[in-house]
Amino acid sequence: DVKVTQSSRYLVKRTGEKVFLECVQDMDHENMFWYRQDPGLGLRLIYFSYDVKMKEKGDIPEGYSVSREKKERFSLILESASTNQTSMYLCASSERRGGNEQFFGPGTRLTVL
Amino acid sequence: SQQGEEDPQALSIQEGENATMNCSYKTSINNLQWYRQNSGRGLVHLILIRSNEREKHSGRLRVTLDTSKKSSSLLITASRAADTASYFCAAASGGSYIPTFGRGTSLIVHP
Repeated sequence: DVKVTQSSRYLVKRTGEKVFLECVQDMDHENMFWYRQDPGLGLRLIYFSYDVKMKEKGDIPEGYSVSREKKERFSLILESASTNQTSMYLCASSERRGGNEQFFGPGTRLTVL
Repeated sequence: SQQGEEDPQALSIQEGENATMNCSYKTSINNLQWYRQNSGRGLVHLILIRSNEREKHSGRLRVTLDTSKKSSSLLITASRAADTASYFCAAASGGSYIPTFGRGTSLIVHP
C-alpha cells in the first residue's frame, strides 16, 4: 500500500517556537507538497518540491520554509510560530509532472498558543 | 484565487438518494480531479478526468466535464452514510502541473 506519513497528528506549540513538520513518502515520488487547510478557505499551497534540494513557493509561503534533503522526506519549518499559523497541515506527493494524482498524508493539526 | 470552486457548499440527503456536486474553474485545464476528505483526515483521490474526456465512471461515481462551460460535476449514486465527507475538485491548468483545490462541498448522508 502506498503511503504518506506525517510525524504528528496533533501538535501544540507556543508563540515564537520553531516548529518542524515532517513528511515521508514511500512511493519514490518526485513531487512533494505542503498545504494548509482552514475552514472556508480550502487547501492552500505553501511550498512544493519537484526534486531533492529543489523547492518552490506556493500561494502562501510567508512565515514558512522547507527542506528536502532526501527524495522521500519533505519538511515544513515554522521559524517562529504565530497564532495565525494554527491550522491543519497536509503533506502530499505525486509522481513526475503533469497534474497527476496526489497522495495525501493524514494531516497534522497544529495549535499555536 | 481558487481555480476550482465547488457548489453547493453543503449538501444534506437521505441514504439511497443521489448526490450531485459541481465545480467551476476559470482557465483552460489539462485535467480535473475529485478528492474526498473524511473529517479530520487527509484527502483521498477519487477520479481524474482529462480535458479531452467528457465523462468517467468509477463504481457509484460519475464525473462529467464540460470544457465549454468550464465546469465539472460529481454524481454519487445510491448514497450511503459512509459517503459523508467533504468533496474537493482540483484543476491542473495550462503550464502548471500543480492542481489548485476548491473550498469543497460538505456532504451529509443521513441513514
